[in-house]
Amino acid sequence: AQTVTQSQPEMSVQEAETVTLSCTYDTSENNYYLFWYKQPPSRQMILVIRQEAYKQQNATENRFSVNFQKAAKSFSLKISDSQLGDTAMYFCAFMKHEDRDDKIIFGKGTRLHILP
Amino acid sequence: DTGVSQDPRHKITKRGQNVTFRCDPISEHNRLYWYRQTLGQGPEFLTYFQNEAQLEKSRLLSDRFSAERPKGSFSTLEIQRTEQGDSAMYLCASSLGAGGQETQYFGPGTRLLVL
Repeated sequence: AQTVTQSQPEMSVQEAETVTLSCTYDTSENNYYLFWYKQPPSRQMILVIRQEAYKQQNATENRFSVNFQKAAKSFSLKISDSQLGDTAMYFCAFMKHEDRDDKIIFGKGTRLHILP
Repeated sequence: DTGVSQDPRHKITKRGQNVTFRCDPISEHNRLYWYRQTLGQGPEFLTYFQNEAQLEKSRLLSDRFSAERPKGSFSTLEIQRTEQGDSAMYLCASSLGAGGQETQYFGPGTRLLVL
């Protein structure tokens, strides 16, 4: 069974600072996907960034980047130049690399507050 | 392109009552997923459909739960004889196809409170 662990329940940073959210996971699969999803207060969850395990290059999306360490089963999210709109719950998530089993397994989340 | 919509957004019911939630996926999305999110937890998978076929059900989905997607478009999730432990946010997501390259787009959720 796959598990996803986020050890930081809550974090606060000042606007414009850089923040890193941690995530570790456990799986016996060799190929899989990892995601970070963002759930703003009272709004729907959206995908922030996706990483394919067989790609060594870390994914980036504008101010969002990941540090994917496959051997360590670690997948952290770095938010640069943080903005007030980044305030949200962030979920690290795992998916097998199988079309017939593409359910997402989520961690418990990290609540991120960006302070003005 | 309208997003995934869910109805109702909030539901309060008494223990023992039946409730039904509806999810309208993004047009032409073949995959539809249901997840449940309790307070302080991440979403947990319940079931999913490929068009009208229900392909997998989680062990979380007891026999009091049933989901349908009769014409491969909208889906309903029914909970019979609700219990207080059913109180949660029920999230629906849809994707154009299968696999990790296809983004799952989430709806706003239906928040259920069982008294």
